[in-house]
Amino acid sequence: KAGVTQTPRYLIKTRGQQVTLSCSPISGHRSVSWYQQTPGQGLQFLFEYFSETQRNKGNFPGRFSGRQFSNSRSEMNVSTLELGDSALYLCASSLSRLAGGPASSYNEQFFGPGTRLTVL
Amino acid sequence: GENVEQHPSTLSVQEGDSAVIKCTYSDSASNYFPWYKQELGKRPQLIIDIRSNVGEKKDQRIAVTLNKTAKHFSLHITETQPEDSAVYFCAASIWNYGGSQGNLIFGKGTKLSVKP
Repeated sequence: KAGVTQTPRYLIKTRGQQVTLSCSPISGHRSVSWYQQTPGQGLQFLFEYFSETQRNKGNFPGRFSGRQFSNSRSEMNVSTLELGDSALYLCASSLSRLAGGPASSYNEQFFGPGTRLTVL
Repeated sequence: GENVEQHPSTLSVQEGDSAVIKCTYSDSASNYFPWYKQELGKRPQLIIDIRSNVGEKKDQRIAVTLNKTAKHFSLHITETQPEDSAVYFCAASIWNYGGSQGNLIFGKGTKLSVKP
């Protein structure tokens, strides 16, 4: 199976602009989570989508938003970019079993290569 | 919300020695604790995980222990090798079976250097 893919891999924007990042999960995976990675704050959870619905949200301002399509592909959008938004944005997909499956169904999150966003 | 503390932030060991990284979590409802390894310029990769119904799990040279009462879990790497050099992240999550996936709340990471 192909792994998680993210596009673009690198992006340079200026303050005030907006940006859209894309994530294609592993085939069959229905959950997509987004994380921001910076040297100072480490890996921080942004939000998670499952079946086109946001299931969880981290502590980020409303400038950060996302969505998921019927094929489980996900996009995240950052509006009014700030210098502090410069980071590696990682998405991760997981199978996320539904009720009725095996009792032990914790699912590994598989990470994509990330999109390196630089805000000037 | 959940908060995960990870120590130490850097760790240097000689090849063949053991390495231990410790994490504490704040939310007693957390029940899933994965460890990720991230090599320079690469994506995080799961190396081992543990669920709250298990106290210890081993996979070759890697082991993880969980103390639910104290709310801490640790990664143990034995017989370290230069290729173990990387940043290691612990994480905690609340996994409600059949319901919310839960997010992963990560520790700040430990940079492990294994000297030959």
